[in-house]
Amino acid sequence: AQKVTQAQTEISVVEKEDVTLDCVYETRDTTYYLFWYKQPPSGELVFLIRRNSFDEQNEISGRYSWNFQKSTSSFNFTITASQVVDSAVYFCALSENTNAGKSTFGDGTTLTVKP
Amino acid sequence: DAEITQSPRHKITETGRQVTLACHQTWNHNNMFWYRQDLGHGLRLIHYSYGVQDTNKGEVSDGYSVSRSNTEDLPLTLESAASSQTSVYFCASSDDSLKNIQYFGAGTRLSVL
Repeated sequence: AQKVTQAQTEISVVEKEDVTLDCVYETRDTTYYLFWYKQPPSGELVFLIRRNSFDEQNEISGRYSWNFQKSTSSFNFTITASQVVDSAVYFCALSENTNAGKSTFGDGTTLTVKP
Repeated sequence: DAEITQSPRHKITETGRQVTLACHQTWNHNNMFWYRQDLGHGLRLIHYSYGVQDTNKGEVSDGYSVSRSNTEDLPLTLESAASSQTSVYFCASSDDSLKNIQYFGAGTRLSVL
């Protein structure tokens, strides 16, 4: 069965600090997708990034970067020089290729960035 | 622009009443999902559909039902609302060609008193 663990329930940092959100997953499939979603205080869920299981290249998008390591079943998310607007709940999710988007979500990490 | 809308945004009801939450998407996506979000539990899948006339149970389906009569809509019905169903409900949709990315509605906050 699929499982996603986000061990960090809450993280609090001061603006401009770097912060890493951890995500560990379990799956028996060899083909799967990993996602990060952001839920700001306004409540909507916004897609941030998707990675397939065959692509272990790290990705950087502005202040955001993602580190995917199959050897440790981890897909960690780093925010560099955090800003108050980064305050949100961040969800990691896993879906199997054959299940057309049906995803298993972690419990989320609440990130608070203080000015 | 394509979108996914949920209604109502807020609902207060009484124990035992039937409640239906609406979800409408204009993405023309085949796949639609209902989740509930509770503190400490993240998002839990209630029901999902891969197309018209197709419905499937998720991990927390007891007390809920869905029907898919067209591509655009997947209403979620609470047959007899219980206080344990007080939660925030999210609808989502995805298209196979987009490799499983889900697009979420704004959510419905339901309180069962």
